[in-house]
Amino acid sequence: GDSVTQMEGPVTLSEEAFLTINCTYTATGYPSLFWYVQYPGEGLQLLLKATKADDKGSNKGFEATYRKETTSFHLEKGSVQVSDSAVYFCALSDQTGGGNKLTFGTGTQLKVEL
Amino acid sequence: DVKVTQSSRYLVKRTGEKVFLECVQDMDHENMFWYRQDPGLGLRLIYFSYDVKMKEKGDIPEGYSVSREKKERFSLILESASTNQTSMYLCASSLSGTGGRQPQHFGDGTRLSIL
Repeated sequence: GDSVTQMEGPVTLSEEAFLTINCTYTATGYPSLFWYVQYPGEGLQLLLKATKADDKGSNKGFEATYRKETTSFHLEKGSVQVSDSAVYFCALSDQTGGGNKLTFGTGTQLKVEL
Repeated sequence: DVKVTQSSRYLVKRTGEKVFLECVQDMDHENMFWYRQDPGLGLRLIYFSYDVKMKEKGDIPEGYSVSREKKERFSLILESASTNQTSMYLCASSLSGTGGRQPQHFGDGTRLSIL
């Protein structure tokens, strides 16, 4: 079945450092890929998405490119801020039917320090 | 903006009780989902629904049931609560559509403790 693998956390960075959170997936067909973010005490929010190979999703300075050849969707940001501290989830969407089921990775906690 | 509202942020119940978690969305979405979130395990799908009165089992349905009598409301029921059901429960909704392109929108979660 479908699966998503994310790098283990927590990841601790200094403010203005470069961020990469790795995400690889296994799926049949051509899934859509998503990054969600969860701030403390809140639910998940959609950060960005890509629906086909070579698409780049971007939002709030974060970017991720759908790489079919390496089955990857790594999240990057050039300069992180303390306010980016959160848990980040990579997910893929099941294309079968219209249900839009998501398969999630286990999440990567990011801590940004001054 | 899509609003998914879960009825309680925190809930404490006793072993053996029947527990109801309610979720309401205001965007006329066809699909609704219930997940539980546990440290190190990410989000796991319990049940989902494509339409009113429709339900499908997710990956971990044992010990749970659901009800969707109206399009905007999706209830999760713990038939006889047990301590291993202590968890964060997240509700989500999405538009329907082929190709899986529609994102899911999440509520703030209910942290349920079973004593």
